[in-house]
Amino acid sequence: DVKVTQSSRYLVKRTGEKVFLECVQDMDHENMFWYRQDPGLGLRLIYFSYDVKMKEKGDIPEGYSVSREKKERFSLILESASTNQTSMYLCASSWGTGGNTGELFFGEGSRLTVL
Amino acid sequence: AQKVTQAQTEISVVEKEDVTLDCVYETRDTTYYLFWYKQPPSGELVFLIRRNSFDEQNEISGRYSWNFQKSTSSFNFTITASQVVDSAVYFCALILNTGNQFYFGTGTSLTVIP
Repeated sequence: DVKVTQSSRYLVKRTGEKVFLECVQDMDHENMFWYRQDPGLGLRLIYFSYDVKMKEKGDIPEGYSVSREKKERFSLILESASTNQTSMYLCASSWGTGGNTGELFFGEGSRLTVL
Repeated sequence: AQKVTQAQTEISVVEKEDVTLDCVYETRDTTYYLFWYKQPPSGELVFLIRRNSFDEQNEISGRYSWNFQKSTSSFNFTITASQVVDSAVYFCALILNTGNQFYFGTGTSLTVIP
């Protein structure tokens, strides 16, 4: 059964803490994505990566960074968490490019609360 | 720029009713792909369908059907004889043939009342 696994379902952090959200996929997909989901705003793309050590900014990259040292793993980093980063974070992966891109496979999500 | 609009924020229907979820998209590209995803209360988004811009044939899968109309830039999703298990948030998405980025609508929350 193919899978995208996010390391934590629920996290509670304090303002100013550094936060790591880990995502691992076992499908050998080239592309990996981090989205943020907030009520009424849908899914907003933070960063994506189409290859190891490659990254591209999405729509809302401010306050976030990412790391992709291995093909199967894509990490989202909040250098100094703030309360407005309280949200549900979704990791996804897909194969191919453009017209040859398959559908996105999503993890279960990580709900982050920043106090 | 690309945009996907799901104007219906929330819909409630009684079980066994039919319901249509609207999706309107904007793009200047001629080759693109459209998707529908379901997000049940458990949280994990599940792929439902992928359709390319050259294939306007409607598709039916059990109680689910999709109506793609290029002339109105719409890709609507109909659930026939709705069931409580259909209660979820549904997202429409677009990807261009030339890109890696998916553009999502804001989602429609469907509640099916028993």
